[in-house]
Amino acid sequence: GEDVEQSLFLSVREGDSSVINCTYTDSSSTYLYWYKQEPGAGLQLLTYIFSNMDMKQDQRLTVLLNKKDKHLSLRIADTQTGDSAIYFCAESEGYSTLTFGKGTMLLVSP
Amino acid sequence: DAGVIQSPRHEVTEMGQEVTLRCKPISGHDYLFWYRQTMMRGLELLIYFNNNVPIDDSGMPEDRFSAKMPNASFSTLKIQPSEPRDSAVYFCASSVRVAGGHEQFFGPGTRLTVL
Repeated sequence: GEDVEQSLFLSVREGDSSVINCTYTDSSSTYLYWYKQEPGAGLQLLTYIFSNMDMKQDQRLTVLLNKKDKHLSLRIADTQTGDSAIYFCAESEGYSTLTFGKGTMLLVSP
Repeated sequence: DAGVIQSPRHEVTEMGQEVTLRCKPISGHDYLFWYRQTMMRGLELLIYFNNNVPIDDSGMPEDRFSAKMPNASFSTLKIQPSEPRDSAVYFCASSVRVAGGHEQFFGPGTRLTVL
């Protein structure tokens, strides 16, 4: 079945850039997503990218997609302490269920 | 809109007891998902509904788990009897199909502890 892999933990200093990486196995993936989960809360969609795109930028967020290598990354510029959270990568084939990775815990230190 | 509403937010029960988790999706959303989150297994899809009809329940761990959606504004997830290994955070999410895919809106979750 489909699988989505992420590193479990990333620590950065405030003001630095953060890069969270994700790999997936399903070559039929048409949409790839990044969700954010803050402590005690549900997941919230940050951004998504369609599989025919290489890059998407939204303010401090940059998503890069390498479809050949099935690799997705999320770059957060000027990382703030408020960005500390768990970030989930997810993929779907068109309009169907999402397959989530296990999440990357981002810790931002002052 | 108040978003996806789940109740209770926290539930502590003893092994063998029946547990019922509740969810009110966002009005107008025609998909509803139940997830379970644990440290060991991450986020697992248990079941999802489309227009109140269960579409895929292959993620339901065993017969002790059941879910219903009697109408477009309410769903329940029931565990009977509960076991300590059912301890987890249970999320409900709803979505609607839009151009560009879909966005699942998650509720705040119910933290279940089975003693």
